[in-house]
Amino acid sequence: EVQLVESGGNLVQPGGSLRLSCAASGFTFSSYWMSWVRQAPGKGLEWVANMKPDGSEKYYVDSVKGRMTISRDNAKSSLYLQMNSLRAEDTAVYYCTRHSFSRFGPSHDYWGQGTLVTVSS
Amino acid sequence: DIQMTQSPSSLSASIGDRVTITCRASQSISSYLNWYQQKPGKAPKVLIYAASTLQSGVPSRFSGSGSGTDFTFIISSLQPEDFATYYCQQSYITPYTFGQGTKVEIK
Repeated sequence: EVQLVESGGNLVQPGGSLRLSCAASGFTFSSYWMSWVRQAPGKGLEWVANMKPDGSEKYYVDSVKGRMTISRDNAKSSLYLQMNSLRAEDTAVYYCTRHSFSRFGPSHDYWGQGTLVTVSS
Repeated sequence: DIQMTQSPSSLSASIGDRVTITCRASQSISSYLNWYQQKPGKAPKVLIYAASTLQSGVPSRFSGSGSGTDFTFIISSLQPEDFATYYCQQSYITPYTFGQGTKVEIK
């Protein structure tokens, strides 16, 4: 059974840092693109970043470029999101997701339960 | 970035109704379009990918169509468990933007 379990969400002050983790199991983690998707309270979904299986390619939404870094440890089947210079608008539930590819690009076929990041003084 | 616009933003429907949601992309995305269902307090779940392919295990009352810029998502006969928010997402180019969502409520 595929499982994605996020951790690391917390209350942090504006300008602070946080590192999210996602522990994956039930599939060959090193073979899959992985993503972070977030959802602000009461709002819609926003794709944040994704990463190639070998780590050689990473992509980000403009609003987090230079502030957030996606990384992975395939030996530990874990995905990470280092979040720096946090802003109030980064407040959201952050989901770790796995990509499944068809000939028309990826979909997020598995999601974690999410971890809440609150940026507030 | 590609903008995805869903309509309507919300709708009220009864059990057994046919429900139609549309999604428009700001530029052509071929069939690089996914549909997700999200229930309150839960993570989203993919229902349809590549515009019209049903994800494994998803009931056949859900369907999707379209290509280019205009897409349609249909629930042929609304069931109690289908009351949720539905999102389209383009997977043509990063950032993989989502529509704003359509909340399907009980009439």
